[in-house]
Amino acid sequence: GIQVEQSPPDLILQEGANSTLRCNFSDSVNNLQWFHQNPWGQLINLFYIPSGTKQNGRLSATTVATERYSLLYISSSQTTDSGVYFCAVERNQGAQKLVFGQGTRLTINP
Amino acid sequence: EAGVVQSPRYKIIEKKQPVAFWCNPISGHNTLYWYLQNLGQGPELLIRYENEEAVDDSQLPKDRFSAERLKGVDSTLKIQPAELGDSAVYLCASSLEGQWSDEQFFGPGTRLTVL
Repeated sequence: GIQVEQSPPDLILQEGANSTLRCNFSDSVNNLQWFHQNPWGQLINLFYIPSGTKQNGRLSATTVATERYSLLYISSSQTTDSGVYFCAVERNQGAQKLVFGQGTRLTINP
Repeated sequence: EAGVVQSPRYKIIEKKQPVAFWCNPISGHNTLYWYLQNLGQGPELLIRYENEEAVDDSQLPKDRFSAERLKGVDSTLKIQPAELGDSAVYLCASSLEGQWSDEQFFGPGTRLTVL
């Protein structure tokens, strides 16, 4: 099956810092989503981005489908940004299911 | 617009007991998913429904797990009997399968503890 690798596994920053999270995947995809899992376990949709670039406030994401990676940018981090960020992909062909990476645990200290 | 609703949010049972989880997807979403999330890992698909039909249940342990989606709306996931290793978070998601987007939206999950 498709492999999804996220880096770094852990990231600790001070409030106000910027960060870049990376997601590499091993096959062509027709769906790529970024989620934020908050401390209560809720998966919050950040971006649906199988290709291209999107921005939403302090967050932006870029997927380069031909090179099989996606980046999530967080600017001016706030303590509420803390949590685990997941990248999930769905293969172009075969089973229609999201395959998740292991996540990046982000901790923003005040 | 209401999101995906799940109940209960938490469940504690003793091993060998049965347990059931309920999910109500976003209105109009024809595709429903059940995922399992173990501590420190990403969710993994258990079963996917398109309307009433289970189109992918290859990862569902059928000896003890069962699921149904009557009338193509709400869904129930059951475990009987539960084992210690079933302790995890069970997530339900839904999507509107269409030409332009198959974005999935997740419910808050049910955290199961088996003692």
